[in-house]
Amino acid sequence: QVQLVESGGGVVQPGRSLRLSCAASEFIFTSYGMHWVRQAPGKGLEWVAVISYDGNNNYYADSVKGRFTISRDNSKNTLYLQMNSLRAEDTAVYYCVQGAEYSISSSLIGWGQGILVTVSS
Amino acid sequence: EIVMTQSPATLSVFPGGSLTLSCRASQSVSNDLAWYQQKPGQAPRLLIFGASARATGIPARFSGSGSGTEFTLTISSLQSEDFAVYYCQQYRNWPLTFGGGTKVEIK
Repeated sequence: QVQLVESGGGVVQPGRSLRLSCAASEFIFTSYGMHWVRQAPGKGLEWVAVISYDGNNNYYADSVKGRFTISRDNSKNTLYLQMNSLRAEDTAVYYCVQGAEYSISSSLIGWGQGILVTVSS
Repeated sequence: EIVMTQSPATLSVFPGGSLTLSCRASQSVSNDLAWYQQKPGQAPRLLIFGASARATGIPARFSGSGSGTEFTLTISSLQSEDFAVYYCQQYRNWPLTFGGGTKVEIK
């Protein structure tokens, strides 16, 4: 069973930064593309970003491009999301998600429990 | 950006009944289409990928069909644990996009 545990969420003021982490276990992390997906309170799902299994490729939603950076440390089985210039509309539960093996574009196979980020003054 | 449209927004069904959810893409996504189930307070769960392939551990009462721009998710013999919100998602083009969801309620 895939284990994905997010951390680093909380309340942050508009314009500030926050970094989310996701510790992965129970699968070969270095073989899988990884995603972040978010869900604003009471709303639907929004894909945020993806990084390839080797970290060499990534894509972003237009709503976060230039402000968020996805990265990974394969030696630590950890995925990151650096969020800068945060806005109220970034308030959401952020999910760390396992993609497909050796593929950057895929269905979203395994999901963490999510972590809440609240952007408010 | 490919826009995914789901209908209806809400569906009321008796336990034991069957239902079909629809998902339409604004342009062809071939069969790069997935379905997810989300229960209140929980993370989504992958049900279907490749438009019609069931994910690991998903019961046979869940079935997906379609290709191109029109897709359906059918749930037969609805169980109490099936009442949830269902989302479709395309992974043909960037950005990946989700439909707005269909809430399946007990009638």
